[in-house]
Amino acid sequence: AQSVTQPDIHITVSEGASLELRCNYSYGATPYLFWYVQSPGQGLQLLLKYFSGDTLVQGIKGFEAEFKRSQSSFNLRKPSVHWSDAAEYFCAVGTSSNDGNKLVFGAGTILRVKS
Amino acid sequence: NAGVTQTPKFQVLKTGQSMTLQCAQDMNHEYMSWYRQDPGMGLRLIHYSVGAGITDQGEVPNGYNVSRSTTEDFPLRLLSAAPSQTSVYFCASRRQGINEKLFFGSGTQLSVL
Repeated sequence: AQSVTQPDIHITVSEGASLELRCNYSYGATPYLFWYVQSPGQGLQLLLKYFSGDTLVQGIKGFEAEFKRSQSSFNLRKPSVHWSDAAEYFCAVGTSSNDGNKLVFGAGTILRVKS
Repeated sequence: NAGVTQTPKFQVLKTGQSMTLQCAQDMNHEYMSWYRQDPGMGLRLIHYSVGAGITDQGEVPNGYNVSRSTTEDFPLRLLSAAPSQTSVYFCASRRQGINEKLFFGSGTQLSVL
């Protein structure tokens, strides 16, 4: 079964600094990978997804992520963080098998932004 | 432009009580699902449905029942609430296909005393 690890529970960055949130997955075949963001008291919103093609994917709000098969990683990046980016970020993996309907989420990384 | 609507937003139950969390979507999505969110554990799938009349278990189905009589509605029933079911519950829907975007409701915060 697939699994997702987000090693960092909390990350604090200064406004304007660059950001990288780590995500490692475990799955034997090519996964479908997602990053979602959750603002306080809200549901989750899709930032970006990867399922084939170019391994560097662009998302909303200036975020991007790179799929590295050799490292089983799908890290999320942003060159310059804004205060409004403070939220919790979830990496998720799905498959194209019969269990493809079971999207598995990581435990999340809480991003704090210092002014 | 309602999207996914969950009710209620907050609920407090006593151990042993039953209740139903409601979820409705107006996007004609085939796939609907329920997740629970607990600190440090991310979101865990409870049950999901790929169409009216079809449901299946997720990662943590025990203590919960679902049904899907219409495309729009996917209620989650707690038959006999337990303190371990204290959590935030999210309903989500999407078109068929694992690469499709999931649309989430705003959540139900449930406390079981």
